[in-house]
Parts: sequence; structure tokens; C-alpha cells
Amino acid sequence: DTGVSQNPRHKITKRGQNVTFRCDPISEHNRLYWYRQTLGQGPEFLTYFQNEAQLEKSRLLSDRFSAERPKGSFSTLEIQRTEQGDSAMYLCASSLGFLGTAYNEQFFGPGTRLTVL
Amino acid sequence: KQEVTQIPAALSVPEGENLVLNCSFTDSAIYNLQWFRQDPGKGLTSLLLIQSSQREQTSGRLNASLDKSSGRSTLYIAASQPGDSATYLCAVVLTGGGNKLTFGTGTQLKVEL
Repeated sequence: DTGVSQNPRHKITKRGQNVTFRCDPISEHNRLYWYRQTLGQGPEFLTYFQNEAQLEKSRLLSDRFSAERPKGSFSTLEIQRTEQGDSAMYLCASSLGFLGTAYNEQFFGPGTRLTVL
Repeated sequence: KQEVTQIPAALSVPEGENLVLNCSFTDSAIYNLQWFRQDPGKGLTSLLLIQSSQREQTSGRLNASLDKSSGRSTLYIAASQPGDSATYLCAVVLTGGGNKLTFGTGTQLKVEL
């Protein structure tokens, strides 16, 4: 399978616990994005990487959230001291992105559904 | 701040009907617009991407149009089928916006037999 993959697909945790999600982008894609989607809403941007550099973070990404992309390949999103309000679908996407390119379609993974009890 | 609105929020049509989904955005300085499909509990599947310089894109039974000056896009689905039942999301990328997508809340489509 050459698409974007995410693990785990589902995560149930108790409030206050830390959780970590992983995203593996399409192999030749140098840009990677994280979005969060709550029930009945469209996804909201959290952060994105160009290779290993984290270029932008949303205000939604509080101090409890941290994302990494070592070596510009897979990425992890960690949530510390989870709260019930963190319950959502966390989506990862990847794309090609170079200066001057017109084609930057984003391809999404299946998501990780987080439930905080 | 870019706001993306989709109307209607939900739509139910009989099989075979042609239908139009609407998307509007407040900031016309967009780089491109993308339409997605999302099945319940699943990720997003890209349907069509329209660059800001384009007026429409077609793929099979789908046709998406873009009118930047009025801040609107439409997704036309011809000869709808039950398998088209899903939530359809539009999203825009702002010029200079770092390539992040700003999504609408979606239109939930149900095609009935």
C-alpha cells in the first residue's frame, strides 16, 4: 500500500494519560500535515512539516501537543495529559511541495480516532 | 480569517438524480480549492483539485467549478448512485497560506434506492 498510513486507528485512554500517534506519508512526499476533526465538523489544521522542519503551528496546538518529523520521514503527534476535549479524529496528510510548483494536492490517511474517558 | 461555508448541510436524493453541492469562501486570494469525500469514520479521499487559474475540473461523473471573484465553488454529481452517499468537504488553500487547507463543515449526502 503506497498511501498515507496512520497508527493506531483507534485509541481509548483515560484523562491525564499521554498518547502518541504515528503517520507514515507517501514515500516521495516532502510535506506532512496534521489536522483534527471533531464530530460534525470539517478538519482543522494543527501543524505542518516541510521535510523535518516544522513550519507552522496552529493556535489549536496547545503546550500539551507536540509533533516531530525526524529525518523528514514519518511523523509523531504526542498529546500529554489528555483531556476529554481532545477526543477527536486526528488526520495526517502528505503532499509534494516545492517553491513554484502548482500541484500540491494533499492525500489523507485513514485517521486515528482518540477517545478520552 | 478565511471562512468556508457549505450548503446544504445535508441532502437526500433518489438514485439517478443529478445534484449540485455548494461551497463558498470569504477570502478570494486562494491558491487552489479541493473537494473531498469522507465516508463515516474514515479519512478523506481527494476528488478534484482546482487551481486558482482554472474554472473547472472533471473526473468521471464529477465536475467542480470555481468562481474566485464571487468566492464560490460547486460540485456537480451526475446520475447519482447509492455508493455516492458520504460527506463531501471542500477546502481552500490561501495564497501565502503555507499550503494548509481550510475546510468547510461538509454536506452529508444520501442517495436512496
